[in-house]
Formats: sequence, C-alpha cells, structure tokens
Amino acid sequence: AQSVSQHNHHVILSEAASLELGCNYSYGGTVNLFWYVQYPGQHLQLLLKYFSGDPLVKGIKGFEAEFIKSKFSFNLRKPSVQWSDTAEYFCAVRGGGSTLGRLYFGRGTQLTVWP
Amino acid sequence: EPEVTQTPSHQVTQMGQEVILRCVPISNHLYFYWYRQILGQKVEFLVSFYNNEISEKSEIFDDQFSVERPDGSNFTLKIRSTKLEDSAMYFCASSEAGIKFSSYNEQFFGPGTRLTVL
Repeated sequence: AQSVSQHNHHVILSEAASLELGCNYSYGGTVNLFWYVQYPGQHLQLLLKYFSGDPLVKGIKGFEAEFIKSKFSFNLRKPSVQWSDTAEYFCAVRGGGSTLGRLYFGRGTQLTVWP
Repeated sequence: EPEVTQTPSHQVTQMGQEVILRCVPISNHLYFYWYRQILGQKVEFLVSFYNNEISEKSEIFDDQFSVERPDGSNFTLKIRSTKLEDSAMYFCASSEAGIKFSSYNEQFFGPGTRLTVL
C-alpha cells in the first residue's frame, strides 16, 4: 500500500518568513501528487497538483511545490508567508494502479503564522 | 462556484445506533468518495462510487458501512450500528471523471460531518 509522510506536524513562522513543508511518499510507480489546505472552519481545498510535465508546480496564493522523483518527494514552498496562510496543509498521493481515484493523505502539518 | 455540501455538520449518536450522513456532490460530477479523519490521525479513504456501484473500498469499509445514491443529487453513507471508534470527521468528495491522470479527476471536498458516538 502507498503511504505519505509529512515530516512537520506543527510549524510556527513569523510573517514574511519562507516556508517549506516536506512530503514523501512510498509508491514506486506513476503518481499524481496534491497539496490540500484546510483553513480554520473550512473544508479541504486544492492548493496545487502534479500530474506530469514540469516538476515545479505553481498553485494558488503564491504556493509552489517541486516533484523530485528520485527522492519520492513533493515539498511545498512559499517564499513569504502571510498571517492568512495559517491553516492545516495535507499532502496526498494517488497511484496509477488499481487504486484509481483513491487518495492517500499525509498526517497534515499545522502552520501558524504570527503577524 | 459549485461546492460539495454535507449535512448535518455535527451528529451525535449513541453506540449501536444507525446514522446516515448526507452529501450533495457537484452536479455534473460522476465519481463520489467518502473519507474520514479520526481526531489526530490521517484522512483515510473509505469508498469510491461510480455508476451506482462501489468502485473501490478500503479495509475500513466493512459490513457496517454502506453507500447509496438514492436520487440524482444525494450521496449517503450509512453506518448500521455505530461504535465508539467510528467517531470522526467524515468527508464527502466528488470528481468530474475518473480517467487516469486526467485533470478532470480532481476531487472536491465537502466541509465534513463530525460524528460523535457516545
């Protein structure tokens, strides 16, 4: 079975600091990769996704992620965070085999940004 | 912008009771999913549903669980006899299509139903 690891459970930053959240997955075949965000009191929203092509993916709100196949990683980055980025961030993976459609999620990283 | 909706937002039930969680997927979507998140744990896949039948289910989705699309808009998850360990946030999701690696199979999530089993 596939698994997804998010290394940081809680990250605390000041506004304007740079952010990198780690995500590693265990599936060896072709994958789709996602980052979802859940703002307080709201539902999971897609931040960005990687299906194929350029491994550097740009998402909404200035976020980007880089797919490094050799490292089985899909780390999320933002050069300068804002207070409004306070949320929980989930990395998710979908494999290309019989588990079509099914997403495997990481445990999530709670990001707190202090103004 | 179309959204997935779920009702109720919070359900409290006694152990052994049946509960039905309701979801209204985005109207032109064809694939439907249930996930759950026990407090402090990962979001876990339960089941996917397409063309009025289950496409895939996880090991969590045992005989106590069932899904149904009773009409053209609702998608329900039933737990027949709830257990304490069923307490979790249950998320419904839908996608336009399930084509491999198509941009149309992005899953859109609802706000969740928090189920508390006493």
